[in-house]
Amino acid sequence: DAGVIQSPRHEVTEMGQEVTLRCKPISGHNSLFWYRQTMMRGLELLIYFNNNVPIDDSGMPEDRFSAKMPNASFSTLKIQPSEPRDSAVYFCASLGSGRGTDTQYFGPGTRLTVL
Amino acid sequence: GNSVTQMEGPVTLSEEAFLTINCTYTATGYPSLFWYVQYPGEGLQLLLKATKADDKGSNKGFEATYRKETTSFHLEKGSVQVSDSAVYFCALSTGRRALTFGSGTRLQVQP
Repeated sequence: DAGVIQSPRHEVTEMGQEVTLRCKPISGHNSLFWYRQTMMRGLELLIYFNNNVPIDDSGMPEDRFSAKMPNASFSTLKIQPSEPRDSAVYFCASLGSGRGTDTQYFGPGTRLTVL
Repeated sequence: GNSVTQMEGPVTLSEEAFLTINCTYTATGYPSLFWYVQYPGEGLQLLLKATKADDKGSNKGFEATYRKETTSFHLEKGSVQVSDSAVYFCALSTGRRALTFGSGTRLQVQP
């Protein structure tokens, strides 16, 4: 299996621009999580989906952030407009649906720099 | 709510030294406990896990035991190598919800 795939790996943009991060979960996994990693706040959950439905978006910072999961094999995290404080590494993780399955598998992350 | 507390780093050791990274947790219900490792410039990889009290997770010479009485899940390795240099995260989950992470501990192993 290819594992969780994220794109792009690196993104540099200017303040005010729209940024879209993409994630392809492991085939057959039915839960998907977006996390953000910063030096100040560590790893924190932004949102997670179960069977393509958003379950908990309490970690989404504000209305500038939105996430979608149009089908079981694709999710996007969009920031519009971006700000320098959004600079971070964004990770996507997926979780299988089998009974007793509890391990999340992480993608390589997208390093976002907003100038 | 859930929380994870792990020892501050960095931890600097010589090769073949014994490693302990402390982790304690607070959780509602019966959490599963995890250690993830992050090598420079990479994502998080599962190192080991334990799903119930007294379970011991192990992998690549690392071990951790789920201690419900002390709400701890300390990571140990008997003899570290330079290649073990990374950031280690303790984490928990309850049900099939999101992971709650500790702040991470950077390990530096010197030859």
